[in-house]
Amino acid sequence: QVQLVESGGGVVQPGGSLRLSCVASGFIFSNYGMHWVRQAPGKGLEWVASIWYDGTNEYYADSVKGRFTISRDNSKSTLFLQVDSLRSDDTAVYYCAKRSTAGTPYSFDYWGQGTPVTVSS
Amino acid sequence: QSALTQPPSVSGSPGQSVTISCTGASSDVGSYNRVSWYQQPPGAAPKLIIYDVSDRPSGVPDRFSGSKSGNTASLTISGLQPEDEADYYCCSYRRTSYVFGTGTKVTVL
Repeated sequence: QVQLVESGGGVVQPGGSLRLSCVASGFIFSNYGMHWVRQAPGKGLEWVASIWYDGTNEYYADSVKGRFTISRDNSKSTLFLQVDSLRSDDTAVYYCAKRSTAGTPYSFDYWGQGTPVTVSS
Repeated sequence: QSALTQPPSVSGSPGQSVTISCTGASSDVGSYNRVSWYQQPPGAAPKLIIYDVSDRPSGVPDRFSGSKSGNTASLTISGLQPEDEADYYCCSYRRTSYVFGTGTKVTVL
C-alpha cells in the first residue's frame, strides 16, 4: 500500500532553515510528480510546491518563491523541501502528497501524516 | 494567489443531503475540469474524495458527488452519515500552480 512518511520538522528561529523529507513506498516513486502542501494552525490548506516525476521542473507558490526549494532523489524514493529564511507565517504542518494515478494528474491521491514546523524566537 | 471561496460551515441531519459550493475565477475553476475535493477529519491528513470535477476514487462512497457550472464547483453529500463530519476543501489547478478553497466544516446534527 502507498505510504508517505514526512520528517524533519521542528522549532526554528525566524530566519532559520530546515530540510523536510518524505519517504515514499508502495508505488514507483520515479513515475509520479509530487507536491508539498501546508496547513497553518486552525487554518486551511495551502499548496506550496510541486516537482515533476524526473525532477526537471519545479513550481512554487508566490508566498515561498525564492525561499523554499523542492527536490527529489528517485534512487531513494525521497522527496525534499529545503525551507530557508523562515518567517512566523511559515508555521504550519507540512504534508507531502502524491500526484493522482487516476484521471488527469491534477489532484493528490495520497498524503503523508505531516511534519510540523514552528517558527518562533 | 487568493483562495477559492467556500461557505465556512454547513450542517444536516443523518440521511439528509448537503451541498458545498466552491467559487473561483475564469483563470482556475472556470478554465479547467481539474477541480478536486478533500475530506479532512479532525487531527487527520486530507483524503481525496473527488477528482476531475466529478470522478470518485475507488473506495469512496457514491453518496459523494461533484459538479461544476461556470466558475463554481460543488460537492454534494447525499444521505449524510455521522462519519462524514469533517472539514472539506476544494482545489483547482491554475496554470502551473494550485489553489485550495477556504474550507467548509460539515456538521452532522
